[in-house]
Amino acid sequence: GQNIDQPTEMTATEGAIVQINCTYQTSGFNGLFWYQQHAGEAPTFLSYNVLDGLEEKGRFSSFLSRSKGYSYLLLKELQMKDSASYLCAVRDGDYKLSFGAGTTVTVRA
Amino acid sequence: ETGVTQTPRHLVMGMTNKKSLKCEQHLGHNAMYWYKQSAKKPLELMFVYNFKEQTENNSVPSRFSPECPNSSHLFLHLHTLQPEDSALYLCASSQESSGSDIQYFGAGTRLSVL
Repeated sequence: GQNIDQPTEMTATEGAIVQINCTYQTSGFNGLFWYQQHAGEAPTFLSYNVLDGLEEKGRFSSFLSRSKGYSYLLLKELQMKDSASYLCAVRDGDYKLSFGAGTTVTVRA
Repeated sequence: ETGVTQTPRHLVMGMTNKKSLKCEQHLGHNAMYWYKQSAKKPLELMFVYNFKEQTENNSVPSRFSPECPNSSHLFLHLHTLQPEDSALYLCASSQESSGSDIQYFGAGTRLSVL
């Protein structure tokens, strides 16, 4: 199976920056996704990277290095509503999507 | 609102019961998925349907039986479940089951097996 690792929990202060790392080992690669999931709600799509580099979308940015099997999700100007679980998912060479266990981010006032 | 609706949101059932989970998508997608989400574990893909045809069964026990009558509806029929089957069951849809298509998720059915 595929191996996708991300930290279990992170805590940060409102207004700060948090970086969630994701490392992966897959058979082939066809893109990496980040999802946000609030407790009791649906996972919602945040970003997609298939080429190396940084994709910026407002307060959220996602970076990919295919040679290192590494991605990060950067959350800037943290708000209380950003408290959620963040899921890293990788599409392998057979186009199957595999998920990490998720990183629970807690934003404190 | 993601365009993917799951019912019921919560379900409690005994091990001898038979129940069904329902998923409906209003996005015009052709692929639909069932995932199992257990606490502190990665989402586990269970089944994939593409244009109503099952294209993936990820070694799921036969006590879970999917049904896809059309591209907008997906069911998961449950019978003689075990307590370890208690989890959040998520449905998702995408344009097709390959490429860079983004999967859109429903809010899930929280299942408790007693």
